[in-house]
Formats: sequence, C-alpha cells, structure tokens
Amino acid sequence: EAQVTQNPRYLITVTGKKLTVTCSQNMNHEYMSWYRQDPGLGLRQIYYSMNVEVTDKGDVPEGYKVSRKEKRNFPLILESPSPNQTSLYFCASSLTAPGGETQYFGPGTRLLVL
Amino acid sequence: GQNIDQPTEMTATEGAIVQINCTYQTSGFNGLFWYQQHAGEAPTFLSYNVLDGLEEKGRFSSFLSRSKGYSYLLLKELQMKDSASYLCAVRDLGKLSFGAGTTVTVRA
Repeated sequence: EAQVTQNPRYLITVTGKKLTVTCSQNMNHEYMSWYRQDPGLGLRQIYYSMNVEVTDKGDVPEGYKVSRKEKRNFPLILESPSPNQTSLYFCASSLTAPGGETQYFGPGTRLLVL
Repeated sequence: GQNIDQPTEMTATEGAIVQINCTYQTSGFNGLFWYQQHAGEAPTFLSYNVLDGLEEKGRFSSFLSRSKGYSYLLLKELQMKDSASYLCAVRDLGKLSFGAGTTVTVRA
C-alpha cells in the first residue's frame, strides 16, 4: 500500500530538548516536504527536498533542520524546541513537483512544547 | 512573499451549490490546487488548474484566471459529508503555499 508514515503521531516535550520527527515514504518519490498547520494560518511549508542531498527552505524554516540522506526518509529536526513550535506537522511526498494527485500526505504529528 | 486569500467560513444547505473564492499574489506560478481537509485529518487532493478555464470533476469544479490571480472551487449537490475545510494552494517550482482555508458547514 502506498503511504507516508510519520512518527511519533503525538509528542509532548519541554523547551530546549532536541527532538526528531521521522517521515518515510514507500513510493520512490523524488519530492518530499514538511508543513506545519496552525489555526487561522493554514498549512505553511517548512522545508522541501527535490531529491537525495537536495533540500531548500520553505516559508517558515526558522528553528528547524532537515536531511535527505536516503530517498525514502526525510526527518524533521528541532534542535531546541520552543513553545511557538507547538503545532500539527504534516510530511508529504510526491512523484516530482509538489501538489496534485501524486502527492501523499502523512497522517500528521501533534507536537506540544511546554 | 506569497499572499493567498480565501473566506474564513461559509454555510450552505444540503443539495445546494457553494462557490469558494481564492485570490493570490505570488512571485511565481506553476499551478493552483484545491484540497479538502476534515478535522484532524490530512488534506486530500480535489483539483488542479494550470491553464485558464474550468476543470470539472464530478460534483466539484475549479476555475482559474491567471491574469486576475483568481480561482474558485464550486461544490454542487452539497452533501453533509462535504462539511470540511477547503484549502487553496499555489505552486511556485518546489514551493507550495496554502491559503488559511475555508470552513464549509452543510446544514440539513
């Protein structure tokens, strides 16, 4: 079954404690991206990757890091989380460019930073 | 930066038609997408426009005018299950920028 998986699905942490949210896809997609969703602001792109070792900033990259060492994985790293990073995070992958029928979203990760 | 505007909320009656407008001002344009999102779930793709005109897909249609920076999503024969948030998104190469979403409530 084609899917994007994210772990963990729910996470409560404290300010400053480094964390990683994993994202994995099984469709051999070139393109992967991370979004955060906040009430009243919609989905905002954090980082995206067009292929292995190729990443670029989205609209809200501050406070986040990513890496793309393998095609299937695209982890999101928060080196020093802060309360304003409390949000719902979605990972997505697509065959080539983002959007459209070939884009699959993960189920989301709810993060609370105290 | 990207600026994508859509109404916050709309309410309609079951069986009716609702039109959700989206205006955008973006530095580049490689296509406009509409997504449906139910509360607590991931967005699901509805439609894609890259050329001007109307795209029809069952009960859903989407229109694009690139010169006006304008799109709309038309939902016909509304059903209760159509109660959801509808997101307009514009692609600019590798970037996908979303509007804040329009919450549609369908009443019996």
